Amino acid sequence: AQKITQTQPGMFVQEKEAVTLDCTYDTSDPSYGLFWYKQPSSGEMIFLIYQGSYDQQNATEGRYSLNFQKARKSANLVISASQLGDSAMYFCAMREGGDYKLSFGAGTTVTVRA
Amino acid sequence: EPEVTQTPSHQVTQMGQEVILRCVPISNHLYFYWYRQILGQKVEFLVSFYNNEISEKSEIFDDQFSVERPDGSNFTLKIRSTKLEDSAMYFCASSGVAGGLTDTQYFGPGTRLTVL
Repeated sequence: AQKITQTQPGMFVQEKEAVTLDCTYDTSDPSYGLFWYKQPSSGEMIFLIYQGSYDQQNATEGRYSLNFQKARKSANLVISASQLGDSAMYFCAMREGGDYKLSFGAGTTVTVRA
Repeated sequence: EPEVTQTPSHQVTQMGQEVILRCVPISNHLYFYWYRQILGQKVEFLVSFYNNEISEKSEIFDDQFSVERPDGSNFTLKIRSTKLEDSAMYFCASSGVAGGLTDTQYFGPGTRLTVL
C-alpha cells in the first residue's frame, strides 16, 4: 500500500495567487512526521516545511503553510502569493516513528503563469 | 548556510563497472542517507547510516551496494557492478543530532548516474 498519495500530477496557478497541493498518508503509527520538499528543474531537493503528528497547530514557514487534518490523514501544502520561482515539482514525504527513512509521494508539478 | 555537497554531478559508466558516489554531509550531522530517483519517478530510500553502521536499508539496497564513511567528512555509496536499471539521480542526505522524528533530512544536489 502507498504510504503517501499525491493525486495531482500537475497544476497551473496564476502568479500572486494561492495554490493547494494535496497529500494523504497512510500509517498506523501514532508518531510520524510529514515533510514537503521542492524540486526545481535543476534537480536538487529543497526542504520546505515539517508537521509532526502531535503538533497542535498547523505549520507555517513564510509563504508555505500546511493544512494538517489528522483524522482525514491529509497534509496539504498551501503556497500563498505564488511566484514564478515556485514552478517546480513538490513532494510530500513521511517518516514514521522508529524508522529512519522518508517515504515519498509521486509528486505534483506546479507551473506558475505570469 | 551549511549544505550537503555531492560529487560528481554527473557520472557516466559502462554496465558492469564499479562506481563510487561521494557526499559531504553537513558537518555536525550524525545521520546519513542515500536515496535515488529514477527519471520521472518518485524518490526512493536506499539506506541510512549512523554511528558507522547501517541503521536501515531498503530492498533495493542489495549486495551490489555498499556505504562507507571513510573519514570524518565523506560518505560514499559504492555500486559494485552497475546495471542499466541503476541509471538514476542519487541523492545524499543528512540529518542532525537527535535522530528523532523532527529531524529534517537535508539533501544534496544529487549525482546523475548514467549506465550505458
